[in-house]
Amino acid sequence: GESVGLHLPTLSVQEGDNSIINCAYSNSASDYFIWYKQESGKGPQFIIDIRSNMDKRQGQRVTVLLNKTVKHLSLQIAATQPGDSAVYFCAENDNDYKLSFGAGTTVTVRA
Amino acid sequence: NAGVTQTPKFQVLKTGQSMTLQCAQDMNHNSMYWYRQDPGMGLRLIYYSASEGTTDKGEVPNGYNVSRLNKREFSLRLESAAPSQTSVYFCASRSRGGDGYTFGSGTRLTVV
Repeated sequence: GESVGLHLPTLSVQEGDNSIINCAYSNSASDYFIWYKQESGKGPQFIIDIRSNMDKRQGQRVTVLLNKTVKHLSLQIAATQPGDSAVYFCAENDNDYKLSFGAGTTVTVRA
Repeated sequence: NAGVTQTPKFQVLKTGQSMTLQCAQDMNHNSMYWYRQDPGMGLRLIYYSASEGTTDKGEVPNGYNVSRLNKREFSLRLESAAPSQTSVYFCASRSRGGDGYTFGSGTRLTVV
C-alpha cells in the first residue's frame, strides 16, 4: 500500500546549526500532513502541521515545507538545541480519520 | 487537562492470556485511535473509532478487538496474546475536522 517514509533514519547536528529532516510521501490524495517529535519513553508530540493547499508554514523555530509536485515534505529546525534530540516522524492524513506514519528520523544534537 | 490517559503503563503477559488496554480522553474529541509501535518503526494503526458508536479496522487489526465504550473511552483487547504482539501501544484522539492528534504516553506490553 501507499506509505509515508523518511529519507534518512539518522541525522547528527551540531548545536546551534539548522536541521532539515526530509520525508517522501506517495499518496497524492493526502491533504493534511503532520510532524511529530517523540522522545524516549514518551508518546508522539505534535510539532507542526500543514494542509495541501499550502506550501510553507512556520512555527516557533520550525518550518514545514510541502512540495506536492514531487510529494516531498520537510521539517526545518532553526538553531538546533540539545532538547531537540528525538525521533521525528512525518504523518499523512489520506482521509478524515486515518493517519499514516513514516518510519522516523533519529536526530542527535552534538554539543 | 489530562489529555489522553492510558492504563496500564507496563504489562507482561504469558502467551494465550488476555487483557484490555484502557484509554480515556477528556478533550471531548470525536475520533479515537489505537496504534502500535515496534522498534525502529513508525506507528501502525490497529483500529480507530471515527465517532461514538463506530469502529473500523486499521492496517494491523488481526488479534485485536476494540470497544468505544462512550465518547471518552476506547479500549483495546487482546483475547489470546502472542509474542508478536509485544510492542508499545499508543492511543490517540482528534476532534472532528480538528488539526493534530493528541497521543497518550503509551503502554509497553511484553508477551512471553
